Amino acid sequence: QQQVKQSPQSLIVQKGGISIINCAYENTAFDYFPWYQQFPGKGPALLIAIRPDVSEKKEGRFTISFNKSAKQFSLHIMDSQPGDSATYFCAAKTGNQFYFGTGTSLTVIP
Amino acid sequence: KAGVTQTPRYLIKTRGQQVTLSCSPISGHRSVSWYQQTPGQGLQFLFEYFSETQRNKGNFPGRFSGRQFSNSRSEMNVSTLELGDSALYLCASSLGGVGANVLTFGAGSRLTVL
Repeated sequence: QQQVKQSPQSLIVQKGGISIINCAYENTAFDYFPWYQQFPGKGPALLIAIRPDVSEKKEGRFTISFNKSAKQFSLHIMDSQPGDSATYFCAAKTGNQFYFGTGTSLTVIP
Repeated sequence: KAGVTQTPRYLIKTRGQQVTLSCSPISGHRSVSWYQQTPGQGLQFLFEYFSETQRNKGNFPGRFSGRQFSNSRSEMNVSTLELGDSALYLCASSLGGVGANVLTFGAGSRLTVL
């Protein structure tokens, strides 16, 4: 059973456009929601994260929007660049355990 | 500061064999987690070790096992390999204490089972 559901599976965006990746969860015990970025041949790396007491967090071109009542959170990449082309994973943490989404392959076309 | 080091990076095995993968965490990190990454399945949690004790275990068969040494280095073993075990195996380390939220991943060990 997938504890964190992620969509879409793949996404193609024009350079300068906005990329949006969505995640949903059911377990209300989750208390930390990170996003990881993975380039080919590399392990995932922490991109940005949010706690459920905050509705939005922005770091540069990357923003997490969090809707606690809907149990959903999303990653927005503004002014998407070809260098953003990677696989993105959302995750949720409870206790010492992380649960990851199935990943979104983002391609930014020049 | 050295990152998380996984060895070997690539390996090819045949069905029925066993394999051992190694992970050296970031210095000072006491928690090591293992994940299996396959296309379409994302990162599936295998197990987590903290101070040589398995703290959490995912939903994998007993053929998958692991251990952690006193220097926090960890190994995972897969016995009686099956074709479906072909995957990228990722190790991640963290401080492991309360509120330790940041996982740092290694580059992974890519296992191909023929």
